[in-house]
Amino acid sequence: DIQMTQSPSSLSVSVGDRVTITCRASRSITRYLNWYQQKPGKAPQLLIYAAWSLQSGVPSRFSGSGSGTNFTLTISSLQPEDFATYFCQQSDSTPYTFGQGTKLEIK
Amino acid sequence: QLQLQESGPGLVKPSETLSLTCTVSGASISSSSYYWGWIRQPPGQGLEWIASIYYSGTTYYNPSLKSRVTISADTSKNQFSLKLTSVTAADTAVYYCARKEVGSSYGFDYWGQGTLVTVSS
Repeated sequence: DIQMTQSPSSLSVSVGDRVTITCRASRSITRYLNWYQQKPGKAPQLLIYAAWSLQSGVPSRFSGSGSGTNFTLTISSLQPEDFATYFCQQSDSTPYTFGQGTKLEIK
Repeated sequence: QLQLQESGPGLVKPSETLSLTCTVSGASISSSSYYWGWIRQPPGQGLEWIASIYYSGTTYYNPSLKSRVTISADTSKNQFSLKLTSVTAADTAVYYCARKEVGSSYGFDYWGQGTLVTVSS
């Protein structure tokens, strides 16, 4: 299985901050990396697919980058509705695997 | 608008079989463009992909659960289902059904709201 490691596991941030979350794969997954946002009691929502492609309807303040084993999710200016948990997921091969999540908390 | 809705018992006894159904509206599970799958999330924990099925009937399973899991589809009802046998407390989780476009470039773009299944006597 491909192991996905996210960092940090939590982050205390303020509205307006630029936020960066990283995800590392245990082997190369080229660009087959997706990012999700999950709010309490809700299903995850796809934000970014194929490393840097923005899912329809997702605000442009979200962006993704990386390839191979190292990937980044960036929120350019954090909005109040962005406080949530973020997961990465590889779609290179089954079993599809997720990172452990990064929780954004209010500073 | 595509919608997925999970249904099934919220409480299952240890050693019994967990059975869930996902009803899809707004799209056909017979489409060759998508996989349909199940993902679970234990309370306060991360996400685990369980299985996916393609319109042709081809199935894909997480090896960690493969011996206990069956995914199937009923195209006449536009539903797909999950069966997990010999459950234990470790199987307590919110179970989601979700859609994924064919191809490695795509993630799970539509999800059901999730259903909490508790394993307890």
